[in-house]
Amino acid sequence: NAGVMQNPRHLVRRRGQEARLRCSPMKGHSHVYWYRQLPEEGLKFMVYLQKENIIDESGMPKERFSAEFPKEGPSILRIQQVVRGDSAAYFCASSPSGGRAFFGQGTRLTVV
Amino acid sequence: TQLLEQSPQFLSIQEGENLTVYCNSSSVFSSLQWYRQEPGEGPVLLVTVVTGGEVKKLKRLTFQFGDARKDSSLHITAAQPGDTGLYLCAGYTGNQFYFGTGTSLTVIP
Repeated sequence: NAGVMQNPRHLVRRRGQEARLRCSPMKGHSHVYWYRQLPEEGLKFMVYLQKENIIDESGMPKERFSAEFPKEGPSILRIQQVVRGDSAAYFCASSPSGGRAFFGQGTRLTVV
Repeated sequence: TQLLEQSPQFLSIQEGENLTVYCNSSSVFSSLQWYRQEPGEGPVLLVTVVTGGEVKKLKRLTFQFGDARKDSSLHITAAQPGDTGLYLCAGYTGNQFYFGTGTSLTVIP
């Protein structure tokens, strides 16, 4: 059973471009969480999704950030018009029912 | 905001020693997870505890959930260099996991 798959592992974007981060949850998991980790800081919650629904986006910046988890395919975290402050490691986690989550290896976004 | 404080923040010990890491909060959690994270990698789930007072053992690691489900501890017996890493506790409540500040453990051969 494959783990949580995130791609790409590393992503470089110029300021103003769009970044798309993908997350394929573990088989049978319908709950997905996105977290951001800044250098020397802890993991910060961004958004919690179930299939086709955003359950809690209280940690997501109001502008430029969006997330989706379609009926088919991976969950996508989209960052529009990236700025240098968006540089971070973005982690996705999946859970079969909430309360026990398995993390992917993350996508390291660098904005130049 | 639910805060989880871990102590100590940094720990450097000799191979073979025992150690305990603490995770404390004023909030009640429905479950608590312990993860280990290596540089450049994602957190790897070690254990989930759900019931107040629950104790789980994973080889040389012993995890305990406080009776009130507000705190937890991780005890490592006879630490080995392979135990080196960042240990994170994460409490689950509502719709998210709240992560602790982390304990960076170095085990010296």
